[in-house]
Amino acid sequence: QSALTQPASVSGSPGQSITISCSGSNSDVGAYNFVSWYQQYPGKAPKVIIYEVGLRPSGVSHRFSGSKSGTTASLTISGLQAEDEADYYCSSYTISSSLFWVFGGGTKLTVL
Amino acid sequence: VQLVESGGGFVKPGGSLRLSCSASGFVFRDHFMAWIRQTPGKSLEWVSYIVLTGDTMYYADSVEGRFTISRDNAKNSLYLEMNSLRVEDTATYYCAKVRGAGYDTDFWGQGTQVTVS
Repeated sequence: QSALTQPASVSGSPGQSITISCSGSNSDVGAYNFVSWYQQYPGKAPKVIIYEVGLRPSGVSHRFSGSKSGTTASLTISGLQAEDEADYYCSSYTISSSLFWVFGGGTKLTVL
Repeated sequence: VQLVESGGGFVKPGGSLRLSCSASGFVFRDHFMAWIRQTPGKSLEWVSYIVLTGDTMYYADSVEGRFTISRDNAKNSLYLEMNSLRVEDTATYYCAKVRGAGYDTDFWGQGTQVTVS
């Protein structure tokens, strides 16, 4: 069982916006602004699309945005495109003495 | 930036493997590095972390005492020595470059598959 909770799947039609939630605790998401989001295509490595809650690496579409409220982080994808169909994972730095990062279980995004 | 892992394979329980990660496109010695694995069920799990000089390492409880992370800054390489392997260590192992201050990652390699059976 993953430390961070994400919905197993979300779906949306092209052009729509969707939001994926990532629920943690006061030991991780609620404690730090080091929440990242990753996009993963089948057979490929995860790619960072959001870091430090809401920052986008160079080259990542502005259609991806991140936010946080309390112990829940969110990833919003606006103007859905077919190419956005992928798995999305969240992660957070954690206060735990035996861990560096905790991860969500992943969300499968289907573009209808 | 490029990270290329190698060394994965098929091994019996109790066996050993040594993973390597060759880095290029950035100043390797200036970045913390980590190993993260993804299980067949697609869960991600942090495995290990090493500081710039290689003299301090951190491990997940699940691998403490069995895995050893190391780096060779002269060779731009990261390693993961894995001993006493268990079935539950079966995963794709990713080498990850840690961003700046050390609190998150900014690039992952393509991964290498480790199967313990």
